[in-house]
Amino acid sequence: ETGVTQTPRHLVMGMTNKKSLKCEQHLGHNAMYWYKQSAKKPLELMFVYSLEERVENNSVPSRFSPECPNSSHLFLHLHTLQPEDSALYLCASSQNAGIETQYFGPGTRLLVL
Amino acid sequence: AQSVTQLDSQVPVFEEAPVELRCNYSSSVSVYLFWYVQYPNQGLQLLLKYLSGSTLVKGINGFEAEFNKSQTSFHLRKPSVHISDTAEYFCAVTPGSGNTGKLIFGQGTTLQVKP
Repeated sequence: ETGVTQTPRHLVMGMTNKKSLKCEQHLGHNAMYWYKQSAKKPLELMFVYSLEERVENNSVPSRFSPECPNSSHLFLHLHTLQPEDSALYLCASSQNAGIETQYFGPGTRLLVL
Repeated sequence: AQSVTQLDSQVPVFEEAPVELRCNYSSSVSVYLFWYVQYPNQGLQLLLKYLSGSTLVKGINGFEAEFNKSQTSFHLRKPSVHISDTAEYFCAVTPGSGNTGKLIFGQGTTLQVKP
């Protein structure tokens, strides 16, 4: 595996379900990111982790809970989501948090029913 | 705070024609500027970035962009497009200091290259 991988690629869940999105980077980077991409809206940064410490939380509702157990893995735990949370969730990584190039995974397409 | 406006949501163009995708930004501090491309069913890929130095930046796949501070613009250009350039293009900015990696994106421009 190379680059940034995300699983699952597609997810359908009910509003009462609990699920998790997984991201793994194979680039030796120290920073990881979660973005939300909704139709007709700009990409929105959700969270930034640097050396496994959360350095940015962009006013994300608590029904989204990130976890970064090490510099290669990033999770997004989902619970009691709303239909408006349906979107493409993109993970990215960079060498360090800052101006360095971010490398994106292919995303998880989430549908909340 | 920073914001980014991509002035065209869709740009149709014929193959081998030149193209310009427009991006304007707003910021009270200095910024760094980026263009990313997203092909169907893929994540974003960096095309080019402006950090400092020459205001004309060359990127991958024959794209270039010019930073214009007075007009707060960072338009993307390619002299001759190919069918394979059909994709979504995103302009983004990040503050020049105190940066935690937060990229602020525009809404995107869909480039449709027709044969």
